[in-house]
Amino acid sequence: IAGITQAPTSQILAAGRRMTLRCTQDMRHNAMYWYRQDLGLGLRLIHYSNTAGTTGKGEVPDGYSVSRANTDDFPLTLASAVPSQTSVYFCASSDSGHSSYNEQFFGPGTRLTVL
Amino acid sequence: KQEVTQIPAALSVPEGENLVLNCSFTDSAIYNLQWFRQDPGKGLTSLLLIQSSQREQTSGRLNASLDKSSGRSTLYIAASQPGDSATYLCAVSLISNSGYALNFGKGTSLLVTP
Repeated sequence: IAGITQAPTSQILAAGRRMTLRCTQDMRHNAMYWYRQDLGLGLRLIHYSNTAGTTGKGEVPDGYSVSRANTDDFPLTLASAVPSQTSVYFCASSDSGHSSYNEQFFGPGTRLTVL
Repeated sequence: KQEVTQIPAALSVPEGENLVLNCSFTDSAIYNLQWFRQDPGKGLTSLLLIQSSQREQTSGRLNASLDKSSGRSTLYIAASQPGDSATYLCAVSLISNSGYALNFGKGTSLLVTP
């Protein structure tokens, strides 16, 4: 693994179903983030984690939950999917230490369609 | 809330031209500013990061400048090539309750024609 991987690449989901998007990084970055990208709205922060064991809410957290059990993994769960959650989801990570100035690196994205 | 604006939304230039993409932000208390490139259907590739204490950064044909006091950044692309065609995103990071999360502009879609 090199960098950030996300799975699945794409998914079509029935409304009301539960779905977990997976994100794994191998750079030992302490901070991780989930963003969604929508046409006309740009990228918006859903949830973030500054370090393993801690999480926080971003700009659009409703309907989503995250966990950070270890440094490498940061799954995003939709408990009961709704059509408005149709989007492209990007996971990102950064080393918030002073020397790196928090440069963020992004995964390839998951394209989710909720019908 | 930090607002990030990118102008123009779309730009078409002939190959070989030098061009400037603009980014403005409302809160000057930023930690850093990043420029990204996004190809259609792909993820984001980091191009340049400017720390809040810096004025500019250069990488190859790319030069990014930062003026915190006026809330502006520019991305200069020299001698543009068709392979530069992509969407360019500007994002700023604040030290806030969301850690160092990025606030993004909506991007400039660049087309370089042969």
